[in-house]
Amino acid sequence: GIQVEQSPPDLILQEGANSTLRCNFSDSVNNLQWFHQNPWGQLINLFYIPSGTKQNGRLSATTVATERYSLLYISSSQTTDSGVYFCAAVYNQGGKLIFGQGTELSVKP
Amino acid sequence: NAGVTQTPKFRILKIGQSMTLQCTQDMNHNYMYWYRQDPGMGLKLIYYSVGAGITDKGEVPNGYNVSRSTTEDFPLRLELAAPSQTSVYFCASSYPGGEQFFGPGTRLTVL
Repeated sequence: GIQVEQSPPDLILQEGANSTLRCNFSDSVNNLQWFHQNPWGQLINLFYIPSGTKQNGRLSATTVATERYSLLYISSSQTTDSGVYFCAAVYNQGGKLIFGQGTELSVKP
Repeated sequence: NAGVTQTPKFRILKIGQSMTLQCTQDMNHNYMYWYRQDPGMGLKLIYYSVGAGITDKGEVPNGYNVSRSTTEDFPLRLELAAPSQTSVYFCASSYPGGEQFFGPGTRLTVL
């Protein structure tokens, strides 16, 4: 079946460090989103990025649709960046998101 | 705009009880979705709707029912609650093919 795989599964950083999270998907996508789930469980939209590159402050994302992967870059990490990062892909017109297992990020002061 | 709102925030059910999780969006989105998230996992789709009166099953529909009588509301019904339905439930909405926006979630425990 269709799969979305994220790496690494977990990551520990010192405040101020940079990181790259990866998302591989098994087929062509119509839509790809990155989310941050904070320690209170809230899902926060980071990027809607089926292809190309976008930036929002310290975060940026790149999706290379032809090679079936997306990357999320976090620069100058802060303790508030801690939580789980999910990528999710849509493969058909129904809009159903297939989620990866997430990367759990912990940023230490 | 309030976005996507869900009620209740928390609920404890006994085995065999039933309940309805409410979801409302004020963005005039055609598409609405229900997902569940088990501990340490990503979200899985339960049911979705592409417009009022139209619903379809997702990946894990067993034990649930939905209806969509208006554009704004998409309630999820649990009949005969089971411990396997202990989870966090998220509702989402979007335009066709567009970015999905999620509600704050309902944390359900079945004992």
